[in-house]
Amino acid sequence: AQTVTQSQPEMSVQEAETVTLSCTYDTSENNYYLFWYKQPPSRQMILVIRQEAYKQQNATENRFSVNFQKAAKSFSLKISDSQLGDTAMYFCAFIDYNAGNMLTFGGGTRLMVKP
Amino acid sequence: NAGVTQTPKFQVLKTGQSMTLQCAQDMNHEYMSWYRQDPGMGLRLIHYSVGAGITDQGEVPNGYNVSRSTTEDFPLRLLSAAPSQTSVYFCASSTGGFPNQPQHFGDGTRLSIL
Repeated sequence: AQTVTQSQPEMSVQEAETVTLSCTYDTSENNYYLFWYKQPPSRQMILVIRQEAYKQQNATENRFSVNFQKAAKSFSLKISDSQLGDTAMYFCAFIDYNAGNMLTFGGGTRLMVKP
Repeated sequence: NAGVTQTPKFQVLKTGQSMTLQCAQDMNHEYMSWYRQDPGMGLRLIHYSVGAGITDQGEVPNGYNVSRSTTEDFPLRLLSAAPSQTSVYFCASSTGGFPNQPQHFGDGTRLSIL
């Protein structure tokens, strides 16, 4: 079974600064996808960024980028120029080709962006 | 385009009562799933469906039933509510066949069992 671990329960960052959220996972599969989801106080689950395991290039979406280290099974999220609206829970999630679209989530990191 | 709609948004039940959480999507998605989110934890998969008439168990299926008679609807039934089922429940849908397609989540149902 796959597991996803987020070792930072809470983090804080000053507005406009950069913060990195950590995620490690465990799998015996070679082909899979990784995601970061954001859950603001409104409780909605919002996809932030995704990474295909077969791609060596790290995914980037505007201020959000990942550092994907396949050998180390690490998938960190970097948020640049942090904004107050980035305050939320962030969940790392994993899916493999053989599991359809069913996600395995990490326990989450609560990020507070301070003015 | 409503996306994924969950009803109700909040519900309080007494132990032993039964109820159905409704989930509907209007995107013609094949995949639908139910997750629960407990405090301080990520979402855990309860049941999922890869198409009408097909359902399967996820990580935490005990105490819940599902059915998928149409593509649009995927209700979750609590047979005999227990305090351990107090949680926030999320329904999600996505297109089939491509694991990298993002899941669309509903706004969640906060359920309290007394």
